[in-house]
Amino acid sequence: QQQVKQSPQSLIVQKGGISIINCAYENTAFDYFPWYQQFPGKGPALLIAIRPDVSEKKEGRFTISFNKSAKQFSLHIMDSQPGDSATYFCAGTYNFNKFYFGSGTKLNVKP
Amino acid sequence: SAVISQKPSRDICQRGTSLTIQCQVDSQVTMMFWYRQQPGQSLTLIATANQGSEATYESGFVIDKFPISRPNLTFSTLTVSNMSPEDSSIYLCSVWKDSGANVLTFGAGSRLTVL
Repeated sequence: QQQVKQSPQSLIVQKGGISIINCAYENTAFDYFPWYQQFPGKGPALLIAIRPDVSEKKEGRFTISFNKSAKQFSLHIMDSQPGDSATYFCAGTYNFNKFYFGSGTKLNVKP
Repeated sequence: SAVISQKPSRDICQRGTSLTIQCQVDSQVTMMFWYRQQPGQSLTLIATANQGSEATYESGFVIDKFPISRPNLTFSTLTVSNMSPEDSSIYLCSVWKDSGANVLTFGAGSRLTVL
């Protein structure tokens, strides 16, 4: 059973546009939802994270929107830049015991 | 956050051989994990490396195929045994430190190609 479902699989956005990646989770015990960014040849790196008692978290151009009742959360990248081109993974975990990752979204920001 | 060194960064191996990947962390960490990432795919947890005891394997992964050691709080190894082309993948070491930062940190990965 896939604990975290992510969409879309790939995304093409023009420079300056908004990139939106969506995730849905199954396990209501999850208490921490991070987003990871991975560039080719590198390991994933934490981008931003949220806890389920907060509906939104913003760090610079990156915002997580969280809907607890719908068991969904999304990453919004405002003013997308070519340097944002990477693969993004959402994840869920409870007690930081085990992290369950989504399938990943490959973002391509066109100049 | 912790800094992870993984070796080798990449290798080309022959079918039937085994390869050991090393993960060294610059500080003591609470938990160490090994993930597999097949080309263009997501991150699949292989096992949790437990210090001084046997690793905890996820469904579909067994100790005979992926023996893991963790002799102390900063070092772990993953061996991929009796390799086949299906084992061609990126293997990632990750750590979590119970320091309040709550960050799961990944190494750069070891890209294995099995011929």
